[in-house]
Amino acid sequence: EPEVTQTPSHQVTQMGQEVILRCVPISNHLYFYWYRQILGQKVEFLVSFYNNEISEKSEIFDDQFSVERPDGSNFTLKIRSTKLEDSAMYFCASSGETDNQPQHFGDGTRLSIL
Amino acid sequence: AQSVAQPEDQVNVAEGNPLTVKCTYSVSGNPYLFWYVQYPNRGLQFLLKYITGDNLVKGSYGFEAEFNKSQTSFHLKKPSALVSDSALYFCAVRAGGYNKLIFGAGTRLAVHP
Repeated sequence: EPEVTQTPSHQVTQMGQEVILRCVPISNHLYFYWYRQILGQKVEFLVSFYNNEISEKSEIFDDQFSVERPDGSNFTLKIRSTKLEDSAMYFCASSGETDNQPQHFGDGTRLSIL
Repeated sequence: AQSVAQPEDQVNVAEGNPLTVKCTYSVSGNPYLFWYVQYPNRGLQFLLKYITGDNLVKGSYGFEAEFNKSQTSFHLKKPSALVSDSALYFCAVRAGGYNKLIFGAGTRLAVHP
């Protein structure tokens, strides 16, 4: 069964540095998402992406964050000038064309800011 | 505002017994409801969804869920629990024309031999 893959599985970064989290969505999917889960808290929506542009974003997704689909397979989340509170598990997800399709999640990247 | 509540942090059940994991939701408009399961160090794995139609939906691994509009609930059920069902279960809702999922806090299911 096709899977969403995320790299790296664990990223450790110094506060203030930039990080790029990478995702390869399922190949025929058209909608792409990032979520995050701070330890012990709910899974929170960050952003959705469709047709090469952001379709929706949460209040969390401020100017510090950006997303990009640099080629036909990758979908990236960039976090500039990281803060301690950015430490979390970041999940990428993708879904098919019709709006009742479930989102399929990757295994996540654990981001630790020191 | 859209929200999902999972009132139980943990559910304990003996292997072979039926299990129920509760979920209630609050949305404007018709809800799309989902259940996901998370095993340690893994992502969220889709179990089942309710979009429209029959209130009882069947999903993966013998799980099913019952949509109750009047009670705004979408409880996850399984007739006979397995030890391997032990995991973290998340209820989620999508509504209002948006694709984003709103998740509950999760319920840890522990199935004891």
